[in-house]
Amino acid sequence: EVQLVQSGAEVRKPGESLRISCKTSGYSFTTHWISWVRQMPGKGLEWMGRIDPTDSYTNYSPSFEGHVTISTDKSIGIAYLRWGTLKASDTAIYYCARVRRDISSLHADNWGRGTLVTVSS
Amino acid sequence: QSALTQPASVSGSPGQSITISCTGTNSDVGGFNFVSWYQQHPGKAPKVIISDVTNRPSGVSNRFSGSKSGNTASLTISGLQAEDEADYYCSSYTSSSTLYIFGTGTKVTVL
Repeated sequence: EVQLVQSGAEVRKPGESLRISCKTSGYSFTTHWISWVRQMPGKGLEWMGRIDPTDSYTNYSPSFEGHVTISTDKSIGIAYLRWGTLKASDTAIYYCARVRRDISSLHADNWGRGTLVTVSS
Repeated sequence: QSALTQPASVSGSPGQSITISCTGTNSDVGGFNFVSWYQQHPGKAPKVIISDVTNRPSGVSNRFSGSKSGNTASLTISGLQAEDEADYYCSSYTSSSTLYIFGTGTKVTVL
């Protein structure tokens, strides 16, 4: 069974750094991309970026580029989302998702349960 | 384009059919057959219900169907049931540097 298990809720102050994780199991880690999706309180889904675990190639939405870093540890099947300097506006639920991509398909077929990040002074 | 355009809300009575539209451009919805639809119940993670415009993943009810015409994709829910009350998001690959984009989301209410 494919599983994406995300790390627990975090509370940080503005200006602090943070890294959250997404541990995968049940499939070969390098066969699918991992994407991160933000959902601010009461709002819709926003695609943040993706990583190809095969070569760690990343794409970011312009809205998030330079503010977050997506990475993986291929040896243990974990993806990470990192902030160097948090802002109050980063308060949201963050989902990781496994993305199936091939010549005929591109979609997020499995999702983690989300990590709530609260940034408040 | 920051987000695909969906109606904010759609409602219907049990047993009825409803359709949710998702409008983009020829750089995303109209240019590629990589439109997906996700269902999200309150407090839960999204779940894919339609991939690649028309494909229904294993385990998803056949009451859900997808289509596309030009720059607009559509999700139809037939035989509406109480359990279908949720938020629905479309998404698409885009040729812009963004790579992937979600719709604004539609709240479905079963009357």
